[in-house]
Amino acid sequence: GESVGLHLPTLSVQEGDNSIINCAYSNSASDYFIWYKQESGKGPQFIIDIRSNMDKRQGQRVTVLLNKTVKHLSLQIAATQPGDSAVYFCAEARRDSSYKLIFGSGTRLLVRP
Amino acid sequence: NAGVTQTPKFRILKIGQSMTLQCTQDMNHNYMYWYRQDPGMGLKLIYYSVGAGITDKGEVPNGYNVSRSTTEDFPLRLELAAPSQTSVYFCASRPGTGGGKETQYFGPGTRLLVL
Repeated sequence: GESVGLHLPTLSVQEGDNSIINCAYSNSASDYFIWYKQESGKGPQFIIDIRSNMDKRQGQRVTVLLNKTVKHLSLQIAATQPGDSAVYFCAEARRDSSYKLIFGSGTRLLVRP
Repeated sequence: NAGVTQTPKFRILKIGQSMTLQCTQDMNHNYMYWYRQDPGMGLKLIYYSVGAGITDKGEVPNGYNVSRSTTEDFPLRLELAAPSQTSVYFCASRPGTGGGKETQYFGPGTRLLVL
């Protein structure tokens, strides 16, 4: 029922540790992937993206890994900080579909002080 | 730039009432999108537009209508509100294609409660 959707998978990490958030995507034809961070009461905020012709992309304290063989995406956050606490969504899209985003169900990241 | 703005922030509707959710972007983006997010879930696409005068259905368009008369504005219309439309609605926009223009930027959302 409705309550099922409220129980997001939760990852709890110690401040300063590295975090890894995983995502399985659905469409092997997807050629663009993106990670968003959503804080309570706010809209999704862009973190990092990656195209299907890449396996890895790095940003500031974040790295996205793409494994097309098993349709898996991961977000690595280095030296996790309390401000990283949020819900993280992966999304997939296709260029030939106007890059309409298909969102995953999300993972809640809790950073313990 | 204000980015993507949405009004109202919160609204309570009675079943059968209608309303328009407003979305405006000042970045001259061609593409605009409307999503809904149910509690604890990811976002689902309702409608989108690739430019002024052009709109198309997304994954969950039933019960909604849109228009795109200008580049800046992309209002979402609910004609006969139903409890199933209780959700948080997000508008997003992106510039175009290539060179990072695929990234969608989101507004702060409109929380809608239908009773």
